[in-house]
Amino acid sequence: AQTVTQSQPEMSVQEAETVTLSCTYDTSENNYYLFWYKQPPSRQMILVIRQEAYKQQNATENRFSVNFQKAAKSFSLKISDSQLGDTAMYFCAFMIGGTSYGKLTFGQGTILTVHP
Amino acid sequence: DTEVTQTPKHLVMGMTNKKSLKCEQHMGHRAMYWYKQKAKKPPELMFVYSYEKLSINESVPSRFSPECPNSSLLNLHLHALQPEDSALYLCASSHAGSNEQYFGPGTRLTVT
Repeated sequence: AQTVTQSQPEMSVQEAETVTLSCTYDTSENNYYLFWYKQPPSRQMILVIRQEAYKQQNATENRFSVNFQKAAKSFSLKISDSQLGDTAMYFCAFMIGGTSYGKLTFGQGTILTVHP
Repeated sequence: DTEVTQTPKHLVMGMTNKKSLKCEQHMGHRAMYWYKQKAKKPPELMFVYSYEKLSINESVPSRFSPECPNSSLLNLHLHALQPEDSALYLCASSHAGSNEQYFGPGTRLTVT
């Protein structure tokens, strides 16, 4: 079975600064995907960034980037130039590859608050 | 159209009522999912449909009954629910074989 652990229940950051959210996972699979999802207050969950386990290069999406350390089973999210709209609950998630449908395993989430 | 829609947005029901939640997508996705989410907790997978067939049932109580009438529509029929079933119910969809799930806004259910 797969497990995903987010050790930071809450974090805060000042607008325009950089923040890193931590995530570790455990699996015996070789083919898998890792994700960060964002769920703003009372709004729907959206995908922030995705990483394929077979890719060594860290994924980036504009101000969002990941530090994927496969051997350490670590997958942190860095948000640069934080904006008020980044305030949300962030979930790290894992999915085994090679199936016709994806079963996501989520971490417990980190509530991020961006202060003006 | 890259949207998953869910109706109703809010639902209040008594423990003896029967109600249904509806989810719709027109992205051609052939996998659809129901999740249950409690406040400040991660979503918990309930059911997965792949090509309109139930592929995963995560040991969900029978008072929850899913239905996938066609490739665009997913229903969740509710009957004799308990107060602890109050939660946000999320629907998601994805292309078969894809790793990206698109989530709907959810239905906030309150059982009185």
